[in-house]
Amino acid sequence: SYELTQPPSVSVSPGQTASITCSGDKLGDKYAFWYQQKPGQSPVLVIYQDSKRPSGIPERFSGSNSGNTASLTISGTQAMDEADYYCQAWDSSTVVFGGGTKLTVL
Amino acid sequence: EVQLVESGGGLVQPGGSLRLSCAASGFTFSSYGMNWVRQAPGKGLQWVSDISSSSSTIYYADSVKGRFTISRDNAKNSLYLQMNSLRAEDTAVYYCAREFTSTRALDIWGQGTMVSVSS
Repeated sequence: SYELTQPPSVSVSPGQTASITCSGDKLGDKYAFWYQQKPGQSPVLVIYQDSKRPSGIPERFSGSNSGNTASLTISGTQAMDEADYYCQAWDSSTVVFGGGTKLTVL
Repeated sequence: EVQLVESGGGLVQPGGSLRLSCAASGFTFSSYGMNWVRQAPGKGLQWVSDISSSSSTIYYADSVKGRFTISRDNAKNSLYLQMNSLRAEDTAVYYCAREFTSTRALDIWGQGTMVSVSS
């Protein structure tokens, strides 16, 4: 079965750039999606089809996907961005999630 | 307002059954595929099942295949998950999520309903 691998944790200072990676076999041939989940809340879509932002998602969130790695980048990270982030791809007609990355802003 | 509201969670003994519901509002439910995604306490997201807008195609994660059944009633704007032969490892918050047709993004999520399997 298809697998997506994320680092368990990433730390960033306020105002700096955070980058979260997601690795999978030939992931660049698929679309990557990213979800943000804050404690006690439901996931929120922040990036779809590799690099597109849904309405209402700040411009500081961006994404890329090439080769075996997709990346979520948060520029000018704010304290409110502290959350768990999950990458996701479709493998045939099934959804695959990465294990999640806890972003700490300190 | 576009909204998904899950219900039906609770405490059930191993081997028991439970039926979850997801009520949709604020959009044309019959035009969208729908998914169930679960999250065990302190763990990550795990996809459970997917159903197309017309119920013509259905897929399940291997971990629930043969035990769970997804269905929908477009006239009632509702999505369901029938869960049988429940195990302790099925304990999780269960979310329903809308699949935006053109992008396949899970763009709208419900608040989740907790299922606990324990004796």
